[in-house]
Amino acid sequence: SQTIHQWPATLVQPVGSPLSLECTVEGTSNPNLYWYRQAAGRGLQLLFYSVGIGQISSEVPQNLSASRPQDRQFILSSKKLLLSDSGFYLCAWSVRGGYEQYFGPGTRLTVT
Amino acid sequence: RKEVEQDPGPFNVPEGATVAFNCTYSNSASQSFFWYRQDCRKEPKLLMSVYSSGNEDGRFTAQLNRASQYISLLIRDSKLSDSATYLCVVTNTGNQFYFGTGTSLTVIP
Repeated sequence: SQTIHQWPATLVQPVGSPLSLECTVEGTSNPNLYWYRQAAGRGLQLLFYSVGIGQISSEVPQNLSASRPQDRQFILSSKKLLLSDSGFYLCAWSVRGGYEQYFGPGTRLTVT
Repeated sequence: RKEVEQDPGPFNVPEGATVAFNCTYSNSASQSFFWYRQDCRKEPKLLMSVYSSGNEDGRFTAQLNRASQYISLLIRDSKLSDSATYLCVVTNTGNQFYFGTGTSLTVIP
């Protein structure tokens, strides 16, 4: 069966510090991968998606970036965090060509 | 106009009640539709896909109305464990997913 992992589960970072969140998927090959952010009281916002290694599409201009160094690894990064980057960051996967998404447990980020 | 809109609720219903949520979408070219369930401070979990002909999974029934551009979720015989936030999701091209802000349901003993 497929599983998706995210770490860390929670993170408190000061403004201006860098960020690296990691997501890995097991039990499937060539998945589509997604990064979302859910701010308090708001819906999920798609940040990035990837259909393959090195292929990243950005949905929202921001100070975040994403990379996919391996087929089942997706990384979300920032060089300098802003207060507005606080939120619940969720990684998701779907089969190639499929629309049903499955989410990881998420990382709750607080920027202070 | 938002891509997807949901009534945030909260819906407070007694155990055993039937409750229905609607979700409207703005893009008539939308292709696929889903309902997710999200427990407090947890990740969303896929509840069911919504097919044109409607579909049922136990106590849950999902319907799609393309003419009026909305999807619905009906929960029969509500259980305490159904308490959660229900998110509707609409996708256009497969790489554009639009989530509603969710409808909060509390089932009361």
